[in-house]
Amino acid sequence: AQSVAQPEDQVNVAEGNPLTVKCTYSVSGNPYLFWYVQYPNRGLQFLLKYITGDNLVKGSYGFEAEFNKSQTSFHLKKPSALVSDSALYFCAVRDRDAGNNRKLIWGLGTSLAVNP
Amino acid sequence: SQTIHQWPATLVQPVGSPLSLECTVEGTSNPNLYWYRQAAGRGLQLLFYSVGIGQISSEVPQNLSASRPQDRQFILSSKKLLLSDSGFYLCAWSSTGLRSYEQYFGPGTRLTVT
Repeated sequence: AQSVAQPEDQVNVAEGNPLTVKCTYSVSGNPYLFWYVQYPNRGLQFLLKYITGDNLVKGSYGFEAEFNKSQTSFHLKKPSALVSDSALYFCAVRDRDAGNNRKLIWGLGTSLAVNP
Repeated sequence: SQTIHQWPATLVQPVGSPLSLECTVEGTSNPNLYWYRQAAGRGLQLLFYSVGIGQISSEVPQNLSASRPQDRQFILSSKKLLLSDSGFYLCAWSSTGLRSYEQYFGPGTRLTVT
């Protein structure tokens, strides 16, 4: 069965420090991987995706993520956190071998708090 | 560019009343459309998705239904709301092209059933 795990409900980091939000996945085939951010009472915003190619993908607002096939992980990173990065972050996966099934499997979200 | 609209932004309804939430997409044609519910500010639950006009797939048995009367319009309905229907409802779209991957979300509707 396909699944996504975000093992940390909350991550706290000081402003200016590097941040990591963890994500591991399980799919039967090869994955498409995504990160989204949600600010309070707002819809989700797409940050970045891994489809194929370079394992390090860069996205919006200075975020990046590294695809690690052997560890089935896709951790979100930023070299220097901002207070404005405080939000809820979601990881999602889609099985690229699932044909026309375009549904995403979602993690439960990680709340990031960046302290000034 | 593509945009997605949802309305209303907030809604307070009594138990047993009907519901109609609307989602429309602009700037694309024949999108895949999705309704999600987010309870208590956390995980997303896929409720319905649609690959074309009149084509609706239900992901979970529930008190809700969905319809797609036009290519870029997706409606979430209920005949009689339950307290458990409260939550944040999100509509999303994705392209049906071969190189389509991500979903794009609307601003959401906060529904409170009293």
